[in-house]
Amino acid sequence: AQSVTQLGSHVSVSEGALVLLRCNYSSSVPPYLFWYVQYPNQGLQLLLKYTTGATLVKGINGFEAEFKKSETSFHLTKPSAHMSDAAEYFCAVSARSGNTGKLIFGQGTTLQVKP
Amino acid sequence: GAVVSQHPSWVICKSGTSVKIECRSLDFQATTMFWYRQFPKQSLMLMATSNEGSKATYEQGVEKDKFLINHASLTLSTLTVTSAHPEDSSFYICSARVGTGATQYFGPGTRLLVL
Repeated sequence: AQSVTQLGSHVSVSEGALVLLRCNYSSSVPPYLFWYVQYPNQGLQLLLKYTTGATLVKGINGFEAEFKKSETSFHLTKPSAHMSDAAEYFCAVSARSGNTGKLIFGQGTTLQVKP
Repeated sequence: GAVVSQHPSWVICKSGTSVKIECRSLDFQATTMFWYRQFPKQSLMLMATSNEGSKATYEQGVEKDKFLINHASLTLSTLTVTSAHPEDSSFYICSARVGTGATQYFGPGTRLLVL
């Protein structure tokens, strides 16, 4: 069975500092990988995804993530945090086989950006 | 593109009443829609997968008679919480998949409060 682990339920950075949100997955076959952001009382917005091809994926708002098969990881980074980046971030996976489209979410990481 | 709407955004109801939540894909046809439930400070929990023209597939532990899902068209799925009770109070989020693609696009969510 697939699972997703986000290390650190709460990450705090200073404005302008590097953002690193960690995500590891467990799956017999590398799944599709996603990062979503959720602002208070809102739905989820897709930041970026990895399905195939280049393992370094660039997303919106300056975020990027790298798929590392050997480490079963898909960590999210941003070189310089902005106050508007403060939100809840979810890593999610979807199985390649079966094509059900079902997403399995990690527990979420709250990003706090300090001025 | 790929916009999903939900209505209503907020609903307060008395215990024992039924509440219907609509999920619409505004600019694409969605053969598959998903319904999630999210408790405060927690991740999303998949409730059911809704396929146009067929019965929904419910996740283990989700009462199908309590959470009625209808996907009558390629742009509309509805979730009806029947005989709602205070423990049903939650944030309900729908998502839609474009064709058989891996990506889901999320609605803004519906906050349900049962008194």
